[in-house]
Amino acid sequence: DSGVTQTPKHLITATGQRVTLRCSPRSGDLSVYWYQQSLDQGLQFLIQYYNGEERAKGNILERFSAQQFPDLHSELNLSSLELGDSALYFCASSVYGGNEQFFGPGTRLTVL
Amino acid sequence: SQQGEEDPQALSIQEGENATMNCSYKTSINNLQWYRQNSGRGLVHLILIRSNEREKHSGRLRVTLDTSKKSSSLLITASRAADTASYFCATVDNTNAGKSTFGDGTTLTVKP
Repeated sequence: DSGVTQTPKHLITATGQRVTLRCSPRSGDLSVYWYQQSLDQGLQFLIQYYNGEERAKGNILERFSAQQFPDLHSELNLSSLELGDSALYFCASSVYGGNEQFFGPGTRLTVL
Repeated sequence: SQQGEEDPQALSIQEGENATMNCSYKTSINNLQWYRQNSGRGLVHLILIRSNEREKHSGRLRVTLDTSKKSSSLLITASRAADTASYFCATVDNTNAGKSTFGDGTTLTVKP
């Protein structure tokens, strides 16, 4: 158990819908990262937050947004969902940016 | 092409043999990390090697880093069936602090 929790574990929704994925980092970790893993794209870095502020941005679509709240939990919002958004979404946390990351179990999103 | 590319893409060996995986990258890095992922699960951090280090050991794992060649290798000695997993290298950018880039991974199969 990494200490990072993600909810929900599974999510099935339809194209055009909007979903919110939630992540609670390990106690004491200030950085939160979001990744998307699909069979054809591999593990893609989406975005990183550090103590509530956006720190680094990767291949995150405009339809996706994220934020980190004062209690350090983070949410990833995916809107206008497309079939291609079906993937495993991982959250990870670390004490600071650049340190070892602890990954959550992931949320499996299926868009029908 | 992608930062943090692993080689080979897939590796199949017998239990007891050594497994070597390579990672190449393009930019200046702060550190390089290796992770393991069992199918459908979150990634687990294995080892971190800083840019001023050349070699690091952890149990049956040995990691080398050659910053002049922008490459790293992960050696797993005396492999076990339980080592079957995907292995990823992740580079932490020196210029964009905290941003991690993962490669596509090497899928290792250890046959009993």
